[in-house]
Amino acid sequence: EAAVTQSPRNKVTVTGGNVTLSCRQTNSHNYMYWYRQDTGHGLRLIHYSYGAGNLQIGDVPDGYKATRTTQEDFFLLLELASPSQTSLYFCASSGGNYAEQFFGPGTRLTVL
Amino acid sequence: GDSVTQTEGQVTVSESKSLIINCTYSTTSIAYPNLFWYVRYPGEGLQLLLKVITAGQKGSSRGFEATYNKETTSFHLQKASVQESDSAVYYCALGITGNTRKLIFGLGTTLQVQP
Repeated sequence: EAAVTQSPRNKVTVTGGNVTLSCRQTNSHNYMYWYRQDTGHGLRLIHYSYGAGNLQIGDVPDGYKATRTTQEDFFLLLELASPSQTSLYFCASSGGNYAEQFFGPGTRLTVL
Repeated sequence: GDSVTQTEGQVTVSESKSLIINCTYSTTSIAYPNLFWYVRYPGEGLQLLLKVITAGQKGSSRGFEATYNKETTSFHLQKASVQESDSAVYYCALGITGNTRKLIFGLGTTLQVQP
């Protein structure tokens, strides 16, 4: 059974729209991450968290908010979506002694 | 800062031929980072291909190998004989542990294996 799940898997919205991407992990990991993947840019870290209620800013945070409500759940919020946020979004979790991360299947977001 | 460089954006190889995908890293955050190769097959999410935690060690999985070379700060991915099913995007990543736990990714290398 998948340990990191994301919903929705696909989302289309309009410029200025409000979008929430959800991620749940059942790995009992403390760390969770949100990335975006774009051609020519690889994976870029948006926000991450090391526990419920904690939020850390990543490398490309502008235009994004995030909230970690429980150890299992991490949400990415786009309050005024723009076409530049059209991308493939991945969530991941990490725990244990090493930096290995386990990824969800991705959410493809299109902002028209 | 920390960075990972993959020099090839796309590689095309004929089936049964050998493969090498180059990866070099630079870090100021940690003396001995963990090193990883992730793979993304078409339509799927990222999955771990192999990891090496200790400098000088080699990791292997599904016929792929990579050796953690601290002297040259490299972690090249190799396979002796590729198959069409190996067509995917391969990402090299550097792992930071300690107060902050992060992965720094290269831009990725798209491998296309021709039958």
